[in-house]
Amino acid sequence: LAKTTQPISMDSYEGQEVNITCSHNNIATNDYITWYQQFPSQGPRFIIQGYKTKVTNEVASLFIPADRKSSTLSLPRVSLSDTAVYYCLVYSSASKIIFGSGTRLSIRP
Amino acid sequence: ETGVTQTPRHLVMGMTNKKSLKCEQHLGHNAMYWYKQSAKKPLELMFVYNFKEQTENNSVPSRFSPECPNSSHLFLHLHTLQPEDSALYLCASSQVTNTEAFFGQGTRLTVV
Repeated sequence: LAKTTQPISMDSYEGQEVNITCSHNNIATNDYITWYQQFPSQGPRFIIQGYKTKVTNEVASLFIPADRKSSTLSLPRVSLSDTAVYYCLVYSSASKIIFGSGTRLSIRP
Repeated sequence: ETGVTQTPRHLVMGMTNKKSLKCEQHLGHNAMYWYKQSAKKPLELMFVYNFKEQTENNSVPSRFSPECPNSSHLFLHLHTLQPEDSALYLCASSQVTNTEAFFGQGTRLTVV
């Protein structure tokens, strides 16, 4: 079973900042928090990964509180092309990469 | 382009056919995976190979048979499939010590 809980769906508009929160109460010490994006009929694509505090790359930011029991993926100024399913996963090199149901993000003009 | 290539991209096969899906990666990774994604469902992990050795078989029916001849190639041999096996089959690779997985574009399989 996936070890994370995230909203089933979210809607937003172009140009807005979107924050998707993920709950992972049973995260293990060695687990990293990893987010993937998937478009229809394509394989998931890695977005960002973090262990604690904040991580930022050219695509997104990942905020992780001190207790690591949740995380928030932040997408700045979304566009229509950001419409996709976003998966939050927690795993380490010693555990399986298990996907949950993800969050279906719809961006409107 | 993720560095993971799957062929064919689309496959239609009858229930009595035998076919194989191929996955190739040139990323120097030492772990490879097969996932199945049925319509509007999450990805299901099927098999995991680390350093060419199978380390995970997630209760997959024997009509699916994986093969990993080397760290760069992974096959999924299919025989006597059922219509409910129709799905998107995804291959992924990663470093065993690096938790970022790279996925191929998938093979859309239809069993008729």
